[in-house]
Amino acid sequence: LAKTTQPISMDSYEGQEVNITCSHNNIATNDYITWYQQFPSQGPRFIIQGYKTKVTNEVASLFIPADRKSSTLSLPRVSLSDTAVYYCLVATGGFKTIFGAGTRLFVKA
Amino acid sequence: DTAVSQTPKYLVTQMGNDKSIKCEQNLGHDTMYWYKQDSKKFLKIMFSYNNKELIINETVPNRFSPKSPDKAHLNLHINSLELGDSAVYFCASSPWTRGRGETQYFGPGTRLLVL
Repeated sequence: LAKTTQPISMDSYEGQEVNITCSHNNIATNDYITWYQQFPSQGPRFIIQGYKTKVTNEVASLFIPADRKSSTLSLPRVSLSDTAVYYCLVATGGFKTIFGAGTRLFVKA
Repeated sequence: DTAVSQTPKYLVTQMGNDKSIKCEQNLGHDTMYWYKQDSKKFLKIMFSYNNKELIINETVPNRFSPKSPDKAHLNLHINSLELGDSAVYFCASSPWTRGRGETQYFGPGTRLLVL
C-alpha cells in the first residue's frame, strides 16, 4: 500500500504561492494521486487529482514528475481562507484510500 | 442541497452504551465509506461498501457494525462504547470507477464523545 509523507505544517502570507510536496515512493502503476482540503469542523473536500505530469483546475495545480514518487500541490495567491489541512493520498485498488497526517497550512495577513 | 448528510452532528454518551450514526447521500453514488478522525487529526478508513456490499473492513473492533439498507444509506452502529471511541466519524461517498482514485464526497462529521 502506498504511504504518503507530507510536511506537518507550513506558514505563508496572503498573496503568495504555496507549494506542498508529498512523497509516495511505492506508488503503484494504477494509483492516482488526490489532494483534499479540510477546514476545522468540516469533512475533507476534493481539490485536485492527477496521474502524471501537470493538472490544473480553478483552485490549484498538481505537478507529478515522471517517476511519480512525489507530487506537489500548488496554490496560487493564497488568502486567509486557504488556512486548512491539506491531505495527499494515493488510491489503491478496492477503494482503500489512505490519508496521511496532512499538512497544516497557516496563511497570515 | 446536502450531498452527504450525517445524523446526529454531536453525540455525547456514557461508556457501555450502544449508539448509531446515520449517513445518507443523494449523489447517486455506488460506494460509501466510514472514516474515523482522532484527536490528532489522522483520518482512517473503517469500512467501505459498494452497492450495499462490504468491500473493505479495516482492523476495526467487532463492536462496530456497518449496515447498508440501500445504496444511498450507510449506518454505523457501535456497541459497548469505550472512551477510545471518542472521535469524529465521517461518512463519504464516491462513484464507481474501478478503484482508480475516486473523488470522495464527505459528510459534515459526527462528533462522538464517550464519558
